[in-house]
Amino acid sequence: DSGVTQTPKHLITATGQRVTLRCSPRSGDLSVYWYQQSLDQGLQFLIQYYNGEERAKGNILERFSAQQFPDLHSELNLSSLELGDSALYFCASSLGTGGEMNTEAFFGQGTRLTVV
Amino acid sequence: AQSVTQLGSHVSVSEGALVLLRCNYSSSVPPYLFWYVQYPNQGLQLLLKYTSAATLVKGINGFEAEFKKSETSFHLTKPSAHMSDAAEYFCAVRSKTGANNLFFGTGTRLTVIP
Repeated sequence: DSGVTQTPKHLITATGQRVTLRCSPRSGDLSVYWYQQSLDQGLQFLIQYYNGEERAKGNILERFSAQQFPDLHSELNLSSLELGDSALYFCASSLGTGGEMNTEAFFGQGTRLTVV
Repeated sequence: AQSVTQLGSHVSVSEGALVLLRCNYSSSVPPYLFWYVQYPNQGLQLLLKYTSAATLVKGINGFEAEFKKSETSFHLTKPSAHMSDAAEYFCAVRSKTGANNLFFGTGTRLTVIP
């Protein structure tokens, strides 16, 4: 158990809909990352938050947005869903304060999104 | 910009044979390097990491990796493959400065043949 919790585990929704994925980081971790994993694109970095503020942006579509709340949990919002958005979405967390001992990220089990 | 390249999207080895999964990084400054493993329907789990201490890093499940600056490589090895090693393996890089983001390679799927 990595200590990172993602809900829901599975989500099936129709095209055009909007969904929210939730992530609770490990206790004490300040950084949260979102990744999308699909068969054709591999593991793609979407966005990173550190202590409530956006820190880095990757290949995140404009239809997608995220935020990190004061209690450090994060939500990834996906709107106007398309069939191609079907994928496994991972959240990861790390302490994020730098230094060699705190560099790795710990991953949740993922949310499998199926758009039909 | 940083990146990692994993040579070979699929690798097959016989049970008991040497496992070698290749990873090369691109960075102006030696970064932090990681290997993660993903078993079917699970999240990514850290195998080992290089943070500029010893260049030979030992991880879990008998895996190790050697950082070679001259070759910009961080290949993952295991002397003797076990059936339970069948999984997808990801190499990742993180800068020592900046946003501290993790960039992943495209992954290598390891098959172990009995």
